[in-house]
Amino acid sequence: AQSVTQLGSHVSVSEGALVLLRCNYSSSVPPYLFWYVQYPNQGLQLLLKYTSAATLVKGINGFEAEFKKSETSFHLTKPSAHMSDAAEYFCAVGGVSGGYNKLIFGAGTRLAVHP
Amino acid sequence: EPEVTQTPSHQVTQMGQEVILRCVPISNHLYFYWYRQILGQKVEFLVSFYNNEISEKSEIFDDQFSVERPDGSNFTLKIRSTKLEDSAMYFCASSGDSRGINTEAFFGQGTRLTVV
Repeated sequence: AQSVTQLGSHVSVSEGALVLLRCNYSSSVPPYLFWYVQYPNQGLQLLLKYTSAATLVKGINGFEAEFKKSETSFHLTKPSAHMSDAAEYFCAVGGVSGGYNKLIFGAGTRLAVHP
Repeated sequence: EPEVTQTPSHQVTQMGQEVILRCVPISNHLYFYWYRQILGQKVEFLVSFYNNEISEKSEIFDDQFSVERPDGSNFTLKIRSTKLEDSAMYFCASSGDSRGINTEAFFGQGTRLTVV
């Protein structure tokens, strides 16, 4: 079975500050891990993915995440927050087999960025 | 860039009515999914579909739900007799082409279903 825990349902940072959104996973098979972003009244957009290659993954909009097997973590970071980063962020775990990619999502973290 | 499209973007229906949510997955994808997000909650897997049949479904996907691929492009979710608690955002997704290279699921913009 697979599961995802996102620590902190709400995170608030100042513009220009470091963004750190936490994600821990549980998986009985080597996981594929994803971060999705959801802007208000919009769909889910893929930020980045880990698929068993490099453990430090770079995504869009300056975000990156590091896969740490020993800690079962896949935290999302961005060095300097921008107002446009305000959104809900979802960590998800999936096990891709031949293209099948059912995802288990975390509860989400709402990021607020203030001036 | 290829994208998953969903219609309508918002649907309001009366309790007990049937609704059909429509999706056009990315054309060369083989796997199709429906997810649900109740307001303020996490995105939950409902069902996956491959080779014209359900490959996996969650506990949420009970007898009032059904999925169909009526032609070569559309993928639909039918809710037979809607309940108030079916009010949610429904996301369609697709993944996996014949080469098995695509490792991510692409999501549509969602259909917000409101049951009154």
